Amino acid sequence: KAGVTQTPRYLIKTRGQQVTLSCSPISGHRSVSWYQQTPGQGLQFLFEYFSETQRNKGNFPGRFSGRQFSNSRSEMNVSTLELGDSALYLCASSLGAGEIKGGYTFGSGTRLTVV
Amino acid sequence: SQQGEEDPQALSIQEGENATMNCSYKTSINNLQWYRQNSGRGLVHLILIRSNEREKHSGRLRVTLDTSKKSSSLLITASRAADTASYFCATASIYNFNKFYFGSGTKLNVKP
Repeated sequence: KAGVTQTPRYLIKTRGQQVTLSCSPISGHRSVSWYQQTPGQGLQFLFEYFSETQRNKGNFPGRFSGRQFSNSRSEMNVSTLELGDSALYLCASSLGAGEIKGGYTFGSGTRLTVV
Repeated sequence: SQQGEEDPQALSIQEGENATMNCSYKTSINNLQWYRQNSGRGLVHLILIRSNEREKHSGRLRVTLDTSKKSSSLLITASRAADTASYFCATASIYNFNKFYFGSGTKLNVKP
């Protein structure tokens, strides 16, 4: 079965712009989580969506937002980009109903560079 | 913060040797998981151990969990050059097992 697909793989944006990243989870998975990975902060939890609802949220400013569609695909948006937003953004999917039995399945990530 | 901390931050060994990485966390957990990441790519799930389990094996991997010490260890036996990667532990709280906290990772280098 197809894995978790993130698009695009690489992105270069200018400060002040906004960006939208996309994630298609494994078929049948209803939970999609987003993480930001930077060398200094490691893997930071952004938010989790389940059945089109944001179920969990991390400690990021309101410039970071997301949504999930009825087919479980998810997008995250970052507005008014800052240099510090340069990072690898990872999407992870799971069944999401109750306890996670097999862990997350991660996509390959989107490498965002803000210049 | 519940975030786990791995120890050591970096580990360099020869092929064939065993590699041990440790993870400590702060609050009560539902489960703890280990992931591998190759060169800034996505993470690959290796093994999940529940809070009521003490040890788990998967191929050359052995994970232990000591909830009284709030720590876990990952042992890779007979390491190979292909094991070179960063390894992360992730914890899920007993209050919210759909939100994972990742540690800072151990960078393992296995020299051929």
